Amino acid sequence: DVKVTQSSRYLVKRTGEKVFLECVQDMDHENMFWYRQDPGLGLRLIYFSYDVKMKEKGDIPEGYSVSREKKERFSLILESASTNQTSMYLCASSLERGHSYGYTFGSGTRLTVV
Amino acid sequence: AQSVTQLDSQVPVFEEAPVELRCNYSSSVSVYLFWYVQYPNQGLQLLLKYLSGSTLVESINGFEAEFNKSQTSFHLRKPSVHISDTAEYFCAVSTLSGTYKYIFGTGTRLKVLA
Repeated sequence: DVKVTQSSRYLVKRTGEKVFLECVQDMDHENMFWYRQDPGLGLRLIYFSYDVKMKEKGDIPEGYSVSREKKERFSLILESASTNQTSMYLCASSLERGHSYGYTFGSGTRLTVV
Repeated sequence: AQSVTQLDSQVPVFEEAPVELRCNYSSSVSVYLFWYVQYPNQGLQLLLKYLSGSTLVESINGFEAEFNKSQTSFHLRKPSVHISDTAEYFCAVSTLSGTYKYIFGTGTRLKVLA
């Protein structure tokens, strides 16, 4: 089975800090995604990548950036953390662009910005 | 534009009773349809999917969903729920052309009562 590993389950950061959320998948998936999950809002796409060094903005990219230097790793960066970025962050990967295999998700990182 | 609607944010049901979680979608192009389940403090897991062929699809743990093209629906059902089915369920749609965008509903929290 494909595994998607997020480096931290819980993080507490201060306002203004630069925050790195790491995600690694172990099965050669082309596509990787970052979502944030908030009650009543479901999952919202922040950024995605269909290839190494490639990135595209999702629906809510403001305040975030990403890095994909290697195929298996997709990092989400909060340039200057703010309290409204307190959320659950979910990384996902998929085998191909049509998504017929569905997504494989990591366990999530619950980030609290104080 | 594509959209997914899960009208019920919470569904309480007694153990061994049947349940239906509703999902409606809107899309101008062909789609794949998915249901994901999220147990507490975990990421999402693929429950079942409809790609083509038989409109009734089943999961290994007794859930089923039926694709209804005329009603643009993909409702999830289980004839008899267990306490362990308590989780949040997300419907998702993937378009088959263009940006292959993957859209999630806002989720339905199923609470199974003893």
